[in-house]
Amino acid sequence: GEDVEQSLFLSVREGDSSVINCTYTDSSSTYLYWYKQEPGAGLQLLTYIFSNMDMKQDQRLTVLLNKKDKHLSLRIADTQTGDSAIYFCALVYNTDKLIFGTGTRLQVFP
Amino acid sequence: GAVVSQHPSWVICKSGTSVKIECRSLDFQATTMFWYRQFPKQSLMLMATSNEGSKATYEQGVEKDKFLINHASLTLSTLTVTSAHPEDSSFYICSSWTEESAETQYFGPGTRLLVL
Repeated sequence: GEDVEQSLFLSVREGDSSVINCTYTDSSSTYLYWYKQEPGAGLQLLTYIFSNMDMKQDQRLTVLLNKKDKHLSLRIADTQTGDSAIYFCALVYNTDKLIFGTGTRLQVFP
Repeated sequence: GAVVSQHPSWVICKSGTSVKIECRSLDFQATTMFWYRQFPKQSLMLMATSNEGSKATYEQGVEKDKFLINHASLTLSTLTVTSAHPEDSSFYICSSWTEESAETQYFGPGTRLLVL
């Protein structure tokens, strides 16, 4: 089956950039997603990228996709304390099902 | 964007009782909804796909007799945890694709279940 891996934890200083990485094994997903989950809450869709794109920028967020290496990343510019949360990458499999990465806990300190 | 709601947001029950969780699409019709389970500090795991007017399809390892899914209308899917036990304590989240946005899946706010 599909494996989607993320590093568990990332700690950054407020104002710095954060880069959250995601690696996967199956490259058939048409879209690749980044979701944010705050403590005790549901999932918030942050952004997504079409599989034929290499990069997508959306305000402070930049998504990079390296299909050859099966690597997806999310860069958050000017990270704020409100960005502290768990971030999940997700891919589509079997046409309409999402498989989630293991999640990266981002901690932003002043 | 599309809104998916869940009810209740929190439920505490005694071991052996059954708990029903509702998932509603508020401003769109959802022929298919998905149910996920998330244990503390873990990722979301797909439990089943709920299909309006037909039987749900369950992922491998998920007991269909324990997690009953009913999708009787285009805006409502329910998940019933039957004879709940402490190991069923988890965060249950539903989601759906929308007709307008075939690229994105919208998630409900989740239901936290604690079985004592």
